[in-house]
Order: sequence, then C-alpha cells, then structure tokens
Amino acid sequence: DQQVKQNSPSLSVQEGRISILNCDYTNSMFDYFLWYKKYPAEGPTFLISISSIKDKNEDGRFTVFLNKSAKHLSLHIVPSQPGDSAVYFCAASHYNQGGKLIFGQGTELSVKP
Amino acid sequence: DGGITQSPKYLFRKEGQNVTLSCEQNLNHDAMYWYRQDPGQGLRLIYYSQIVNDFQKGDIAEGYSVSREKKESFPLTVTSAQKNPTAFYLCASSKRRTEAFFGQGTRLTVV
Repeated sequence: DQQVKQNSPSLSVQEGRISILNCDYTNSMFDYFLWYKKYPAEGPTFLISISSIKDKNEDGRFTVFLNKSAKHLSLHIVPSQPGDSAVYFCAASHYNQGGKLIFGQGTELSVKP
Repeated sequence: DGGITQSPKYLFRKEGQNVTLSCEQNLNHDAMYWYRQDPGQGLRLIYYSQIVNDFQKGDIAEGYSVSREKKESFPLTVTSAQKNPTAFYLCASSKRRTEAFFGQGTRLTVV
C-alpha cells in the first residue's frame, strides 16, 4: 500500500524555467510534509517542509504547495538551474506515528542548459 | 562538526552471513531511522527508534534487527534471513516532528 506516490519518475526542464514536481498521498492523517533532494550514492538532503495548517511555504527558489482536499503537494523550483538536477523525494508523517517519514518513489529532475 | 555518520561506505556479505551497519549521530536527536533504497524505488522504512532502549518495526523489518542502547548509536544487523539484502542503506535522525538528517549511506552487496 503506497501511501505517498510520485507518479512521474522523471522530468526534464530548460534552465531558467519552472520545475514542478508532484506528490499525492492517501492517508488523511498525514500532517507534515517534506521534500528532499538526493544525488546518486549519497544521503538525501532536506529542502523544504510544510505543515498541514498551511497551504504554501517558500524558501528562496523553492516553494511547496499543499492542497489537503486533493491530498496533493507540489514543489516549484524557479528559476531552475543545472545544479538542481537530482532525484527529489516527497515524504509525509503524522503525529500518531511519532514522526516517522513515509517516502514517495522519487522523481528524477534533469535541468538542461 | 555535528552530523550523522554511517560506516562502512561499502560492505560485502557472503551468503548466510550476518553483517552489522553502523550509524552514529552527535546531533542530540531522540529519533533514529533505517531506510533501504533499491534501484528506481523510494526509501522504505526498516526500523525506527524514538527513544533509547525502544524501537519499532517499519514496513520491511523481516530479516533485520536493531538495538538502541545509546542515544547516539543505532546499528542495523542484516541477518541471513534477509533473502535479498543487496541495496543502499540509509540511516537518519531527527528531533521529534522535524526534518530528518541522513547519513551518506552504506552500499551492501551479497557476493
């Protein structure tokens, strides 16, 4: 039972344009969502998070949007840079499970110069 | 430097052998986690611990064991009962309800 899903395994965008990565979840108990960036053979690094009491959170070029009614979140990267090329994972947790993170399958982003 | 350290980076295991992956953190985090990543897949939770001397099974705990005798350490043993142990293993730690910080991973290969 995949509770967190990233249905696009890959995404290719042009440098300077917007990258939009999507994530869907099924468990309505999730109340905290995160995005991580990962390079091959390395551990993921935290990018940005959002609590379920908000619908948007910004940090520089990264913005996360949460649509609770649709059980959907997205990560926008503007403008995209070649250094953003990596695999992006969304993750979710809920209070009753002590903060353990459930991850999606990941989306590989390629930003072309 | 504060951080989370996994060792070794590469590990080779013979069939039927148990191996232990090390994970140490000096971030004073209460919670620690073990995840497994297979090619083309996301991170799947093996075990997690929210406090010393306590841990819970994740989604794929069969064939694995852990201990949490110290706050800083959360070693993972891959036993011979794990039928497909070749994977990339990631350890993470967090304060309660905040982002988790990951180590650099251990690549385990069965030879």
